[in-house]
Formats: sequence, C-alpha cells, structure tokens
Amino acid sequence: GAGVSQSPSNKVTEKGKDVELRCDPISGHTALYWYRQSLGQGLEFLIYFQGNSAPDKSGLPSDRFSAERTGGSVSTLTIQRTQQEDSAVYLCASSFLGPSYEQYFGPGTRLTVT
Amino acid sequence: ILNVEQSPQSLHVQEGDSTNFTCSFPSSNFYALHWYRWETAKSPEALFVMTLNGDEKKKGRISATLNTKEGYSYLYIKGSQPEDSATYLCAFKNSNYKLTFGKGTLLTVNP
Repeated sequence: GAGVSQSPSNKVTEKGKDVELRCDPISGHTALYWYRQSLGQGLEFLIYFQGNSAPDKSGLPSDRFSAERTGGSVSTLTIQRTQQEDSAVYLCASSFLGPSYEQYFGPGTRLTVT
Repeated sequence: ILNVEQSPQSLHVQEGDSTNFTCSFPSSNFYALHWYRWETAKSPEALFVMTLNGDEKKKGRISATLNTKEGYSYLYIKGSQPEDSATYLCAFKNSNYKLTFGKGTLLTVNP
C-alpha cells in the first residue's frame, strides 16, 4: 500500500507568514508523529497523536506551533508568524501503537523562512 | 532530558571494508531501540526494532546488537558498498510511542 506522504515537499516563506504542512499517514495506523530536523541537529519530537487526540504536545517549541488530526487520518501542522529559526525539515511518521512497532516516515517538508 | 549519543559523527570507508557505529542511551525505562537509515532526499527507513537485552538482529550485510543494562547498541555493516552511504540514526523509546533520536552517523563508502 501507499506509504506516508507529505505536502508540500518544499516551502519557502517570508518571515511573519503562516504556513501549513500536511501529512497523510498509512491507512490504519493509529499513531501519528511530527518531528523536525534543524541544521546540525538530530530529529526532534514535536507532537504525537493517538487517533484524533494529542496526548503529548511537549515538543512543540512555542505557541506559534499547532497541529490537528481529523478522521484518524490526515494531520496538519501549522506554524504562525514564522521565524527564521523555524527553518528545518519537518517529518511526519505513523505507526501502530506499541513499543515494538516501527514508525514509518514520510519524505518530509523542507521549510525555509527568509 | 534524554541523552542519545551516536559515534562517530561521520565515517569514510572504502568499498569492501566492514564498519560499525555505536549508540548509547539511558539504561532506565527502556522500551525499545530503533535503527534507521536515512539517505539524502528520501524518507528515513527502518532497519531494526530491538526490545530485549541481548537481542541481535540481521538484515543482509547489516546487523545490530543491544545491551540494555549498560545502555548501548552497535550497528555493523559487513563489506560496505557505495549504496550503504547514508546517515544511520538510532532512537530510544522509553514509552509506547516517543522516540528520542541521536544525531546520527554519516557513512560515506568510497568506490
């Protein structure tokens, strides 16, 4: 079946603008995750969804970041009033729930804030 | 704050060489240790999920071992090929869902 897809693949935006990043997980995966990788850093956890609820938002760096998931499927990560430090690759992953399940990653969205 | 360390940060080897990398992680609240391969412009690809102390997993020329008591895992690549060039990430899981990643080891295999 289809893997995790993300759109757009690249986004260049001006500082102060809002952006929306989309993730389509693998069908049937209960859990959905957002990560980002900033230059020179490791993959950083942002938020986790179980179904449509987000029990762990601890990784969101500021209140300019928000995410939602609808229908237990598609998720949108929204960044308001973007700053240059938001420039990063944003990755989405999905999985079944449990410690031994792999997380399957999408190709990412490269966000550049100018 | 969980600390997941990977070494070396980068590595250059010749085609045919065997190599290995290290991942160290907290030895408490262990659920699982994941290894991923991330090639440029592609999605991270899962290699192994390891849950038990002493686990050894193998996929082709790549294998991994796990020591949860001392908090480390090794990834081995036998007879490296240019197509093995990628960043190898390990990730520690201390709950049912949350992965904490290391910064990765960038492997370059020269033909």
